[in-house]
Amino acid sequence: GAGVSQSPRYKVAKRGQDVALRCDPISGHVSLFWYQQALGQGPEFLTYFQNEAQLDKSGLPSDRFFAERPEGSVSTLKIQRTQQEDSAVYLCASSSLSGQGAVEQYFGPGTRLTVT
Amino acid sequence: GENVEQHPSTLSVQEGDSAVIKCTYSDSASNYFPWYKQELGKRPQLIIDIRSNVGEKKDQRIAVTLNKTAKHFSLHITETQPEDSAVYFCAAGILQGAQKLVFGQGTRLTINP
Repeated sequence: GAGVSQSPRYKVAKRGQDVALRCDPISGHVSLFWYQQALGQGPEFLTYFQNEAQLDKSGLPSDRFFAERPEGSVSTLKIQRTQQEDSAVYLCASSSLSGQGAVEQYFGPGTRLTVT
Repeated sequence: GENVEQHPSTLSVQEGDSAVIKCTYSDSASNYFPWYKQELGKRPQLIIDIRSNVGEKKDQRIAVTLNKTAKHFSLHITETQPEDSAVYFCAAGILQGAQKLVFGQGTRLTINP
């Protein structure tokens, strides 16, 4: 079946512009995560949704970052007034829930954001 | 919060030899430890995971060991092949609750033919 998809795959923004990154999780997956991956580093957690509820946003680096998942499926990560330090690959992951909690997180291909 | 340290940052082995990557974690509440493989420009893909109720898990040429007392876990790849060349990430998480994964810094593994 279809995996996690993200769009756009590449985004170039001028400093100060707003951007919106989209994630389409695997159908039926309850949990959705956003991670930020800087060049040569491991993914860093940004935020987590269970259905439409944002249960953890402790990783969002500033109030310029906002995420939503209004219908419990597609999610959008919005970055306002982009700064150069926002340049990174933004990864979305989804997982189902078992009786023991989360299982494998399936990652999307990522959106590479470059702020100039 | 959780902190995951991964070593080495780069590893080069001859084809057919074994490779070992080690990680330590800080939060004793962590009970889920997946390993992801990421090829250049591609998405991370899960290769194996272990839960804290077991000490070792094997899947063909790949094995993971966990020492809860020492808070460290390791990935072992035997009979390495060129297609094993990639960046490998360990991670730690809690199955119940926050669900998020905390990743190590990654190990770039190169298999020399």
